[in-house]
Amino acid sequence: DQQVKQNSPSLSVQEGRISILNCDYTNSMFDYFLWYKKYPAEGPTFLISISSIKDKNEDGRFTVFLNKSAKHLSLHIVPSQPGDSAVYFCAASALSGGGADGLTFGKGTHLIIQP
Amino acid sequence: DTAVSQTPKYLVTQMGNDKSIKCEQNLGHDTMYWYKQDSKKFLKIMFSYNNKELIINETVPNRFSPKSPDKAHLNLHINSLELGDSAVYFCASSPGLPSSYNEQFFGPGTRLTVL
Repeated sequence: DQQVKQNSPSLSVQEGRISILNCDYTNSMFDYFLWYKKYPAEGPTFLISISSIKDKNEDGRFTVFLNKSAKHLSLHIVPSQPGDSAVYFCAASALSGGGADGLTFGKGTHLIIQP
Repeated sequence: DTAVSQTPKYLVTQMGNDKSIKCEQNLGHDTMYWYKQDSKKFLKIMFSYNNKELIINETVPNRFSPKSPDKAHLNLHINSLELGDSAVYFCASSPGLPSSYNEQFFGPGTRLTVL
């Protein structure tokens, strides 16, 4: 049972435009959400996070939006650059769950930035 | 400066063998983790460990055991390897306790192939 879902396996965006990656979750206990970026043959790299007490967090070109009622979050990248081409993973954790649950990851979305 | 390193990067072995994967972090973090990325690309938590507590995901077979000689290392030992153990294994670390709001830093992964 997937508790974190990324329904788009891939997304193609033109350079300079906005990239929007979506993520849905089902576990209402999740209260901390993260986005990771992954290049082939490398480990995931942390991008940005948001806790459930916020609905938006911004860091440079990256903004994460959280809609708790819809159990939905999205990552906006603007403007998109060629180096942003990678697989993006959405992850979630429950503070109350302790370390046993770790991070629960989605399956990832492969973002391709076209020149 | 590699923050979280793993060796080997690739490991090919026969069914029934026992093998180990090493992980080291130089970030001074208190907690380390092992994740498995299976053929469906899901990253799933296997263990979280700090110097006081090992938390095991109940779905992990007891053929898998983490060993921590010190705070900077968490090695993964696997006994009696099976075909289904073929996957990419990622080590990660984070400051503070597993249950705190902290991002995790990942190693580059070890691709294990069991023949």
